[in-house]
Amino acid sequence: DVKVTQSSRYLVKRTGEKVFLECVQDMDHENMFWYRQDPGLGLRLIYFSYDVKMKEKGDIPEGYSVSREKKERFSLILESASTNQTSMYLCASSPTDFTEAFFGQGTRLTVV
Amino acid sequence: LAKTTQPISMDSYEGQEVNITCSHNNIATNDYITWYQQFPSQGPRFIIQGYKTKVTNEVASLFIPADRKSSTLSLPRVSLSDTAVYYCLVGVISGFQKLVFGTGTRLLVSP
Repeated sequence: DVKVTQSSRYLVKRTGEKVFLECVQDMDHENMFWYRQDPGLGLRLIYFSYDVKMKEKGDIPEGYSVSREKKERFSLILESASTNQTSMYLCASSPTDFTEAFFGQGTRLTVV
Repeated sequence: LAKTTQPISMDSYEGQEVNITCSHNNIATNDYITWYQQFPSQGPRFIIQGYKTKVTNEVASLFIPADRKSSTLSLPRVSLSDTAVYYCLVGVISGFQKLVFGTGTRLLVSP
């Protein structure tokens, strides 16, 4: 069974903290993505990666960075968490041909 | 990337057929059309993908007219468990692309 695993289901952090959200996939996929989802705004793409050590900005990269040191792992970093980064964060992976993307269960992050 | 337009929400009753239409007027020659389904508190999951005419699987059918400027996801005999948000995506399936979701269509199925 294919799997995308996000390290935490729920997370509470304080304003100004550095936050790491981890995502691991076991399908040997080249592409990995980070989204955030807020009510009424759908899924918005933060960053994506099409290869190890490669990263590209999505539509809302401000306040975030990413790391992909290994093919199976894609990390989202909030350098200094702010309350407006309270959201559901979703990680996804897909093969090169984009025939199907697989999502993790999501991390609900609350910044207080 | 081709821009897509879907209805914000739809209502239906159990046992009915539901058709959700997506407009993508500037679809490119190499673009495919893909639909995803998302239940509350879960990540989206792939439903169906097509290029032209009709595609059918065990979950849904996808109808694409000859001009490919729109597509219709058809869910036969919906049940309460089909209540979800449905997203239409348009893009190439090879090479480099962003995989951008819109706001989707919120389908509510009532008894």
